[in-house]
Amino acid sequence: DADVTQTPRNRITKTGKRIMLECSQTKGHDRMYWYRQDPGLGLRLIYYSFDVKDINKGEISDGYSVSRQAQAKFSLSLESAIPNQTALYFCATSDFAQGSYNEQFFGPGTRLTVL
Amino acid sequence: GDSVTQMEGPVTLSEEAFLTINCTYTATGYPSLFWYVQYPGEGLQLLLKATKADDKGSNKGFEATYRKETTSFHLEKGSVQVSDSAVYFCALSDRNGNKLVFGAGTILRVKS
Repeated sequence: DADVTQTPRNRITKTGKRIMLECSQTKGHDRMYWYRQDPGLGLRLIYYSFDVKDINKGEISDGYSVSRQAQAKFSLSLESAIPNQTALYFCATSDFAQGSYNEQFFGPGTRLTVL
Repeated sequence: GDSVTQMEGPVTLSEEAFLTINCTYTATGYPSLFWYVQYPGEGLQLLLKATKADDKGSNKGFEATYRKETTSFHLEKGSVQVSDSAVYFCALSDRNGNKLVFGAGTILRVKS
């Protein structure tokens, strides 16, 4: 079984709809991240969380919100989707252990299309 | 702020050719440096890393050396295979070790 899973893997929705993307991990890591990937722009950080009570904005948090329901679960919501949020979304985890150097482990991604 | 610059792609090579993908960075202090690879339809996976100056990371025939003097971490492979076709991302860990900053990615296409 995959260590980091994302659901759904693909989603097509309409402008104005509320969408939730879910991420679960079995690695036992404290840190979780949400990124979006756009062609030619690499991965940009949306939100990150270092534990259940800690949520931080990344470089492109506008239009998104997150919820850390448990150590193993981190959800990303688009309250009112717009077409320029069409992208590939990745969840990642890391373990802040001595020597980990913030190596991150990625889920398979969710391809979101907003019409 | 911290940033990573990669050579633009796509890079198209024939099988068994030599590969170099350039990566330079701007950062405060001494970040850790990473190369991630994304195969078609998959998430990113760590290819190699280096945590201090002059360290060489290596994996699956790929190598990269942390050059502090030139702020570079170029990826090399002596003989590429069709199965190496993927997107390659250079990244650094910010000085607090809290976040990764990614380059734009370089598409590699290897022809048989």
